[in-house]
Amino acid sequence: AQSVTQPDIHITVSEGASLELRCNYSYGATPYLFWYVQSPGQGLQLLLKYFSGDTLVQGIKGFEAEFKRSQSSFNLRKPSVHWSDAAEYFCAVGQGAQKLVFGQGTRLTINP
Amino acid sequence: DAGITQSPRHKVTETGTPVTLRCHQTENHRYMYWYRQDPGHGLRLIHYSYGVKDTDKGEVSDGYSVSRSKTEDFLLTLESATSSQTSVYFCAISESSGGGTDTQYFGPGTRLTVL
Repeated sequence: AQSVTQPDIHITVSEGASLELRCNYSYGATPYLFWYVQSPGQGLQLLLKYFSGDTLVQGIKGFEAEFKRSQSSFNLRKPSVHWSDAAEYFCAVGQGAQKLVFGQGTRLTINP
Repeated sequence: DAGITQSPRHKVTETGTPVTLRCHQTENHRYMYWYRQDPGHGLRLIHYSYGVKDTDKGEVSDGYSVSRSKTEDFLLTLESATSSQTSVYFCAISESSGGGTDTQYFGPGTRLTVL
């Protein structure tokens, strides 16, 4: 069965520092991969997605992610975080038939 | 933002009572989904719909039923609520482009507490 693992439950970084959130997936075919962000008390907002083509994907709010098939990974990065980036981040893989499987989420805290 | 509303936004109920949550969309998207979000589990799919009157089970469907009589509305019913169904429930929508998995857009959520 398809699965998504986000190894880090909670990450704390200082404002202005770089960020990398890890995501590993298990899927037999070419994956459709997504990163979503959830601010406290809010719904999920799409940051970026990978379907095919260039393995480095640009998203909103200055985020990017790189698809590495050999490592079954789709890590999310940002060169310099802002206090407003504090939120929970979810990686998801498309399971076909228009269904998504989500990881457990990574909560990001920003130190001033 | 995708036009998705959920009602109610908050509900407290007692064990054994029926509960219905409503999702309404204005995007005319074909697919609609119900998820629950619990700490340590991310989002888990309860049921989804691929058209009017066409629904299927997700990963955690036990104790839940759904109905979709109109394109714009997708109802989630807990026939007899239990404390284990205390959770935040999210509705999502997507439009099928004919291949692969399309982006899902999420509603604001409903926080349900079962006492």
